[in-house]
Amino acid sequence: EVQLVQSGAEVKKSGESLKISCKGSGYSFTSYWIGWVRQMPGKGLEWMGIIYPGDSDTRYSPSFQGQVTISADKSISTAYLQWSSLKASDTAMYYCALSLGGYETPFDYWGQGTLVTVSS
Amino acid sequence: QLVLTQSPSASASLGASVKLTCTLSSGHSSYAIAWHQQQPEKGPRYLMKLNSDGSHTKGDGIPDRFSGSSSGAERSLTISSLQSEDEADYYCQTWGTGIVVFGAGTKLTVL
Repeated sequence: EVQLVQSGAEVKKSGESLKISCKGSGYSFTSYWIGWVRQMPGKGLEWMGIIYPGDSDTRYSPSFQGQVTISADKSISTAYLQWSSLKASDTAMYYCALSLGGYETPFDYWGQGTLVTVSS
Repeated sequence: QLVLTQSPSASASLGASVKLTCTLSSGHSSYAIAWHQQQPEKGPRYLMKLNSDGSHTKGDGIPDRFSGSSSGAERSLTISSLQSEDEADYYCQTWGTGIVVFGAGTKLTVL
């Protein structure tokens, strides 16, 4: 069974750093793209970026380039999303999602989400 | 620029059918899309991939009540025999070289 299990909710202060995770199982982790999606409170889905864990090829949305870093550790089948200096506006639910069909295919599996709350 | 346009809201009665539409921006009418459902307080769930010719591939466990169709730049999701649990936000998604795009979502109310 394909599963994406995300790390738990985080409460941080502005200026702090953070790294959240997404562990994949039930498929070949290195062979398929994983993406990150932001959902701010009461708002829609926003694509942040995607990574191919096999070679760490990463693409970012222009809206998030330079604001976050996406990485993966294939030895433990885990993708990461990190911030070096959080802002209150980073408060949101973050989802990882898997494109099991390959590059340029839809996200067909989703993680359960990680809620990040940043206070000023 | 690759953009997906969705109506903000839709409503239909219990047991009826509803058609939600997602429109691709000019010059992108051949693109496939995907539909995702997000029930209140839950994460998104993949429903189907919908090609420009109307063929579609559904995700695991998606009921036959959900179907897709295409016409030009429009990609539609039809839900028949509406149930209360179909009340949700529905997002379309597409992709290009190195980019992924979501529509703003349609909030479906089941009356």
